[in-house]
Amino acid sequence: DAGVTQSPTHLIKTRGQQVTLRCSPKSGHDTVSWYQQALGQGPQFIFQYYEEEERQRGNFPDRFSGHQFPNYSSELNVNALLLGDSALYLCASSLKAGATGELFFGEGSRLTVL
Amino acid sequence: AQSVTQLDSQVPVFEEAPVELRCNYSSSVSVYLFWYVQYPNQGLQLLLKYLSGSTLVESINGFEAEFNKSQTSFHLRKPSVHISDTAEYFCAVSRNSGNTPLVFGKGTRLSVIA
Repeated sequence: DAGVTQSPTHLIKTRGQQVTLRCSPKSGHDTVSWYQQALGQGPQFIFQYYEEEERQRGNFPDRFSGHQFPNYSSELNVNALLLGDSALYLCASSLKAGATGELFFGEGSRLTVL
Repeated sequence: AQSVTQLDSQVPVFEEAPVELRCNYSSSVSVYLFWYVQYPNQGLQLLLKYLSGSTLVESINGFEAEFNKSQTSFHLRKPSVHISDTAEYFCAVSRNSGNTPLVFGKGTRLSVIA
């Protein structure tokens, strides 16, 4: 049973560029959430997708956008990259119908902005 | 809104000694509580969770945490640590309504010394 998979694992961009990160949820899961983990900090919630729509959003600017596909996989897009966007981006999947709030995390995509 | 405070950023402890990682939360509504562990260069793994019922919850690898509503705490304990327990530990909280975003603390780095 495959867990949550993310790609790429590492990438380097320059300021002003755009980046797309990808996530495949754990088999059977229908909800995908994205978190940003800056160095030395805990993860911060970016947004959550269910049924191909953004359902909840954290305190992130509109430069951060996402998408969910019919197969439940998801993308995170960040435009006009800033140095402060350097972080580990974590994807987590869950079951919308589940009442436990338990998230299963991928290993993350480490973004470095120069 | 919920918030989490992890009172210690780093905890060094000798192998086979007991350890306690402290976590306090703030919320105006009932919550679910979680401890996640992050090994180097990996994503987060759920260690244990409190949803309802018994206030003492246990993991399969010897950790336990106790939900204390009056003190709004969810401290993590282990009576005897191993070298392999060296990792970053994150306390997290969510509203108890399923699939609400997790709010994480800043983490506690547990270093087990041989």
